[in-house]
Amino acid sequence: QKEVEQNSGPLSVPEGAIASLNCTYSDRGSQSFFWYRQYSGKSPELIMSIYSNGDKEDGRFTAQLNKASQYVSLLIRDSQPSDSATYLCAATSTSGTYKYIFGTGTRLKVLA
Amino acid sequence: SAVISQKPSRDICQRGTSLTIQCQVDSQVTMMFWYRQQPGQSLTLIATANQGSEATYESGFVIDKFPISRPNLTFSTLTVSNMSPEDSSIYLCSVAGTGTGELFFGEGSRLTVL
Repeated sequence: QKEVEQNSGPLSVPEGAIASLNCTYSDRGSQSFFWYRQYSGKSPELIMSIYSNGDKEDGRFTAQLNKASQYVSLLIRDSQPSDSATYLCAATSTSGTYKYIFGTGTRLKVLA
Repeated sequence: SAVISQKPSRDICQRGTSLTIQCQVDSQVTMMFWYRQQPGQSLTLIATANQGSEATYESGFVIDKFPISRPNLTFSTLTVSNMSPEDSSIYLCSVAGTGTGELFFGEGSRLTVL
């Protein structure tokens, strides 16, 4: 079974700091990677997608992909209390039908 | 991104009954998926809803328990059959955008089985 792994946290950072969230995946054939934010009681919301090695920046968010190490990360700069949520990493799977595999999520707490 | 409407948003059901969840998308999409999220857990893929053919189920999920319909490219239903308290969960419809392959979710259906 292909997997996506994340540290469950909670990861606590002070307001204004950089939050670093990490994810590893086991399917070497995975081509697409996504970060979702999920507030309690809400459905996941897409915040970043990344498809090639390197960095991709969008506002305060930077996604990093290293396919050789099978590693994806998300950096949140100038963290705000409103960023407190669970962050889910997902990767597409190449085994069997095309599908999206999710990690267990990392709970982030930004302390005011 | 697609606008995805799910209903019901929540329901409380009795053991042994069945509930059908509807998912309506505002544009035609090829790939549509049904996920389950149990309390405090991550997302588990139930099945891929295929238009015009039988759904593709993941290990641990069977058609008799979770029948899925996909009559066209904008609509799907998931039925949770013969429910037990273990089926209490959030059920999420999701669609993949054409081109980017980004996955978007409906607001979810929170099901409580007594």
